[in-house]
Amino acid sequence: AAGVIQSPRHLIKEKRETATLKCYPIPRHDTVYWYQQGPGQDPQFLISFYEKMQSDKGSIPDRFSAQQFSDYHSELNMSSLELGDSALYFCASSAAEAGPRGNQYFGPGTRLLVL
Amino acid sequence: AQKITQTQPGMFVQEKEAVTLDCTYDTSDPSYGLFWYKQPSSGEMIFLIYQGSYDQQNATEGRYSLNFQKARKSANLVISASQLGDSAMYFCAIRSGGQGGSEKLVFGKGTKLTVNP
Repeated sequence: AAGVIQSPRHLIKEKRETATLKCYPIPRHDTVYWYQQGPGQDPQFLISFYEKMQSDKGSIPDRFSAQQFSDYHSELNMSSLELGDSALYFCASSAAEAGPRGNQYFGPGTRLLVL
Repeated sequence: AQKITQTQPGMFVQEKEAVTLDCTYDTSDPSYGLFWYKQPSSGEMIFLIYQGSYDQQNATEGRYSLNFQKARKSANLVISASQLGDSAMYFCAIRSGGQGGSEKLVFGKGTKLTVNP
């Protein structure tokens, strides 16, 4: 079965640089969630999209932006990177019609290291 | 707001024995879902088991079962016949409320399980 695809899997950037993370949800999933997991931390919700519109927003810095495209893939853009942005970034997808009972399927994550 | 509490930072179990990982939750929503994920050292989040707030029976998936006590707001994960490959971080999460893409997951701090040979 097709899974959530994230690219790149690993990324090394310098401080103040920009980074773009991509997420391709499971086919026919219309909802995408982004989570950030710092070292030794639990995943924290950043932002979500449903049918290409932002549906919820969590603790996402103003330096970050994201969008969902017509083919439902999503991109997380991160500017003016800081050392504290070093983390594992997960994308998850689900079918909104499943509601709270529906599972979110996680991608393998993008490991970002800011030097 | 939803909250998950996992009070066991680390747990140890002997291979082939059973282990229970604790999870309590707080939510004001009548409809919610409780999830357990496994995160090995490689980093991926692996879905293990799900329990819905209106489910009458405790969920089971192979060696995983969920001891759901709604009145106590607890959803403990039971792993039977532990294997060395079960050594990982385990996260309990809740998902509730919202519409169309607003059902974000809220995670606990996790429990690191070590299975000893």
